[in-house]
Amino acid sequence: GQNIDQPTEMTATEGAIVQINCTYQTSGFNGLFWYQQHAGEAPTFLSYNVLDGLEEKGRFSSFLSRSKGYSYLLLKELQMKDSASYLCASMDSNYQLIWGAGTKLIIKP
Amino acid sequence: DTAVSQTPKYLVTQMGNDKSIKCEQNLGHDTMYWYKQDSKKFLKIMFSYNNKELIINETVPNRFSPKSPDKAHLNLHINSLELGDSAVYFCASSQVGYSGANVLTFGAGSRLTVL
Repeated sequence: GQNIDQPTEMTATEGAIVQINCTYQTSGFNGLFWYQQHAGEAPTFLSYNVLDGLEEKGRFSSFLSRSKGYSYLLLKELQMKDSASYLCASMDSNYQLIWGAGTKLIIKP
Repeated sequence: DTAVSQTPKYLVTQMGNDKSIKCEQNLGHDTMYWYKQDSKKFLKIMFSYNNKELIINETVPNRFSPKSPDKAHLNLHINSLELGDSAVYFCASSQVGYSGANVLTFGAGSRLTVL
């Protein structure tokens, strides 16, 4: 079956670095997405990886290893506004997104 | 201007009633979706339309009926509402971007509570 695993909740300190891991098993693979969802709001697109390696975009970076079925989202210089859920989603061979349940990130001062 | 707008934002109704949620996007995207996000926060695809044609129809009770009058609109009608239908329903649209990624833009969500 198709499955996305990511931790339910993580806590980090303002100004620090946090890494949110995601493992995926999907029928075929057409890329890995990360979305950010603040409480009570819509998910918003953060990053897309389809090739192995690290993609850096400001304070946020995303990594992909296709052979390991593994990705992570790295958030640097954490700010209070980064408190949100981070959703990992894999696109399968039919170009359908398979979503994880999200990781709730709590930032403490 | 809101890119993907859906109404109503909140909907509280009794079991057995029929209700509709409307969605409109002004991004010029070809593909629109309905997702359901339950209390455990899983996002589940319900339907997808491409240029008014149904392309994804997941295992959803036939009480749920989507309708796309044109590629900028995708409405969701729900008959005979049940308690388990309580969730947040997100409309989204997408277009393949320069990176080859099919990036979704979501509406703000419609929180449905069935009493």
